[in-house]
Amino acid sequence: DAGVIQSPRHEVTEMGQEVTLRCKPISGHDYLFWYRQTMMRGLELLIYFNNNVPIDDSGMPEDRFSAKMPNASFSTLKIQPSEPRDSAVYFCASTGNTIYFGEGSWLTVV
Amino acid sequence: DAKTTQPPSMDCAEGRAANLPCNHSTISGNEYVYWYRQIHSQGPQYIIHGLKNNETNEMASLIITEDRKSSTLILPHATLRDTAVYYCIVSAYSGAGSYQLTFGKGTKLSVIP
Repeated sequence: DAGVIQSPRHEVTEMGQEVTLRCKPISGHDYLFWYRQTMMRGLELLIYFNNNVPIDDSGMPEDRFSAKMPNASFSTLKIQPSEPRDSAVYFCASTGNTIYFGEGSWLTVV
Repeated sequence: DAKTTQPPSMDCAEGRAANLPCNHSTISGNEYVYWYRQIHSQGPQYIIHGLKNNETNEMASLIITEDRKSSTLILPHATLRDTAVYYCIVSAYSGAGSYQLTFGKGTKLSVIP
């Protein structure tokens, strides 16, 4: 199995631009999580889905952030408009009996 | 807030056992103890988990005290590649068989040659 696949691995964008991060979970996993990691706040859960349905989005920082899961094999996390404080590593994870993380998307907003 | 307390850092000599402690004094009866590690620039990696019995797998051993208020992750023969941040997490399974993980600051383990 290829594991959880995220893209892009690195992105540098200007403030105000839209950013879309993508995730392909492990086949057969029915839960998908989006986490954000910064030096100041560590790893934070943003949102998670079960069978493509958002279950808890209480960690989403503000309305500029949105996440979708149109099917079992694909999810997106969108930031519009992006701000410098959104600079972080964004991890996608999926779970069967344990949670498996992707390698992360490193976002820099300048 | 994370429900665990871990030392911020530890050193271990290469080839020796690394014993990483974790306090979770408020753990509930249905909560498991999970250990993950994160090597620099990579996603967190699952190591092991347990409820009340000691567990062992190819990566590590998990020792949980009888009162379940603390646990120790043991890497039996640490190598330089084990240098990472180790997270101890307590979490309950949801009814659907999945769970959320709340990460604390973890312990930065440095394996010294």
